[in-house]
Amino acid sequence: SQQGEEDPQALSIQEGENATMNCSYKTSINNLQWYRQNSGRGLVHLILIRSNEREKHSGRLRVTLDTSKKSSSLLITASRAADTASYFCATVFYGNNRLAFGKGNQVVVIP
Amino acid sequence: DAGVIQSPRHEVTEMGQEVTLRCKPISGHNSLFWYRQTMMRGLELLIYFNNNVPIDDSGMPEDRFSAKMPNASFSTLKIQPSEPRDSAVYFCASSDRVGTEAFFGQGTRLTVV
Repeated sequence: SQQGEEDPQALSIQEGENATMNCSYKTSINNLQWYRQNSGRGLVHLILIRSNEREKHSGRLRVTLDTSKKSSSLLITASRAADTASYFCATVFYGNNRLAFGKGNQVVVIP
Repeated sequence: DAGVIQSPRHEVTEMGQEVTLRCKPISGHNSLFWYRQTMMRGLELLIYFNNNVPIDDSGMPEDRFSAKMPNASFSTLKIQPSEPRDSAVYFCASSDRVGTEAFFGQGTRLTVV
C-alpha cells in the first residue's frame, strides 16, 4: 500500500505532557502532511513538510521527516485537553498526486 | 469563504435506492477529492479531479459509484444502487492545486438499510 501508516494507534496522556506519533510510507513522496480530526467533524490540515525538508515547526507542533527511513513523526508539546482528536498523516507521491491517508492515531489528553 | 460545503449532512436510504452526494469546493480551488471513511478501512480516496477533469478514479469501489464535476463549483458522487456496505462517512475536499493542503467539508453520513 502507498498509504502512510501511523504508529501507535491510540495514545492517552496527561495534560501538559508531550505526544509523539509516527508515520511510515513505502514509496518516494513529494510531501507529507498531518491532519487532525475531531469526533464527527472533517479533517483539518496541521502542517506540510516537503521531501527536501527535515524538520518543521508550527506553534506547539513539530514534524520531522526522514526520507531514508521513509518515516515521519508528529510531536505535540505541552498537550491540552483540546488536542484530543485523531491525527492522520497523508502522503503525496511523485508521479501520482493522490493524497493518501493512513488509518490515524487516536489521542486522548486527560485534563 | 464558507469552506467546502457538502450536502446532505445525513442520509438514510433503503438498499437499492440511488444516492447523490453533493459538494461545493472553495472558490478558486482547482483540485477536488472524494473520500470515504469507515472504521474498518479508514479514509479511502475514491476519486480526484483537477480542473474539473477526473485524474484518478482507481479508488472507486465498483461501477455502482460514479462522480462528476460539471463545473469548478460543483461535484456529485452518486451510488446506484446503494447497498448496506456503502454505509460510511463521505468527505469532499478541495485544494488550490494538487499536492498542497486540502480543505475538508463536514462530511455526509450515509446509512443504507
